[in-house]
Amino acid sequence: GESVGLHLPTLSVQEGDNSIINCAYSNSASDYFIWYKQESGKGPQFIIDIRSNMDKRQGQRVTVLLNKTVKHLSLQIAATQPGDSAVYFCAETDYGGSQGNLIFGKGTKLSVKP
Amino acid sequence: KAGVTQTPRYLIKTRGQQVTLSCSPISGHRSVSWYQQTPGQGLQFLFEYFSETQRNKGNFPGRFSGRQFSNSRSEMNVSTLELGDSALYLCASRGQGSTNEKLFFGSGTQLSVL
Repeated sequence: GESVGLHLPTLSVQEGDNSIINCAYSNSASDYFIWYKQESGKGPQFIIDIRSNMDKRQGQRVTVLLNKTVKHLSLQIAATQPGDSAVYFCAETDYGGSQGNLIFGKGTKLSVKP
Repeated sequence: KAGVTQTPRYLIKTRGQQVTLSCSPISGHRSVSWYQQTPGQGLQFLFEYFSETQRNKGNFPGRFSGRQFSNSRSEMNVSTLELGDSALYLCASRGQGSTNEKLFFGSGTQLSVL
C-alpha cells in the first residue's frame, strides 16, 4: 500500500503467519523493481529485486510478484518473524537500471505480534 | 567488506547556515547516489555521481549540490538552510553498469534545522 502524509499504512500480522505487502507503481515504462526494508535508525536494506521480463522471483522466505498489466508489485514474506518488523518500500526505475535514481513508494509499516 | 559510511550521524543547524555531509561508498563502488527522506515526502532522489561526474539529478533547488572525489567518496552540500531541509539524508552506492543496479544504503545523516 501507499501512504499519504505522515501516516504509513500498517500491516499487523501474527508471528508465523505469511505477510503480503502491496505496492502500486506509477510508470508503465519502469523495467526494474526493488523491495527495501528499513528498520528504525537504519538506512534501507535490499531485500529482493525483479525485472519487468519476469512475473515472479523467490528469495529466502520472500517472494516478489509483478503484474505489469495493472502496475502492481507485491512482497510476500513467509513465516513472518519479529525481526521482520520494519517499514517496507517498493522502488522502480525506468532507465534500464543504469541510473541511480530509484523512485520509491511511501512505504508500509509491518508490525509482527509475538 | 565495510558498508556505506556516512558522517556525521546527527547534525543540528540553524536557518541560513550551510552544511556538508560526507559519504564513503562500499570499496570498489564507483557510483554514489544521495536521497532525502522525510515523513511527508518519503524518499526522494537528489543526485548521482559516477567517476567524479554528476550523472543524474533530481528535482531539488540549486542550494543542494554535491561532488565526488577520485576515491569515490562523495559530499553533499546544502546552502542557506531552510526549516524544510530537516530530513534524513541517505547515501547509497553501487558498482557500475546495468548489471549492478542494487543500491546499498548507509544509515544516513539526520539533519535538523532550527
